[in-house]
Amino acid sequence: KAGVTQTPRYLIKTRGQQVTLSCSPISGHRSVSWYQQTPGQGLQFLFEYFSETQRNKGNFPGRFSGRQFSNSRSEMNVSTLELGDSALYLCASTLRRAGRDYEQYFGPGTRLTVT
Amino acid sequence: GENVEQHPSTLSVQEGDSAVIKCTYSDSASNYFPWYKQELGKGPQLIIDIRSNVGEKKDQRIAVTLNKTAKHFSLHITETQPEDSAVYFCAAKRATDSWGKFQFGAGTQVVVTP
Repeated sequence: KAGVTQTPRYLIKTRGQQVTLSCSPISGHRSVSWYQQTPGQGLQFLFEYFSETQRNKGNFPGRFSGRQFSNSRSEMNVSTLELGDSALYLCASTLRRAGRDYEQYFGPGTRLTVT
Repeated sequence: GENVEQHPSTLSVQEGDSAVIKCTYSDSASNYFPWYKQELGKGPQLIIDIRSNVGEKKDQRIAVTLNKTAKHFSLHITETQPEDSAVYFCAAKRATDSWGKFQFGAGTQVVVTP
């Protein structure tokens, strides 16, 4: 079974621009979460989508948004980029197993550099 | 909300020795605690997890222990090998949160020297 895929893997943008990142979860997984990973802050939860609906949102400004399509693929968008948005953006799909365990599988991430 | 603290931030061990990473959580509503290994250029990979109704779990050379009363859990790696070198993250999930929302520790850089 294919893992979580993210495109593009690397991106360089200029301050003020906007960017869209894409994620395809593991087939059959309906939950897609996005995290921002930086050296100083670790992994910070951005938001989660399940069956095209946002189920949870972290403490990020409204410049960060996302959506999920009917095939569970998800996109996140960052508008008006700032230097501090430079980070590795990780997408994860989560499967809930019998016994209430939640197995979260991560993609390789998109490295965003804002100059 | 939940807060997860992880120590140490870096850990150097000789090949064959054991490594222990400790995490504490703040919210007693957390009931699921996974550990992830992240190698350079890759996303975190789930290596072991434990539920709040279990005190210890083992999988070959790795084990996780949980102390619910003290709100801390630990990852133990025995007989370390160079391929164990990576960043390890602990995480906690509250029962009331949605499926995909986890709170992560800051990570531990483990270096295994031959």
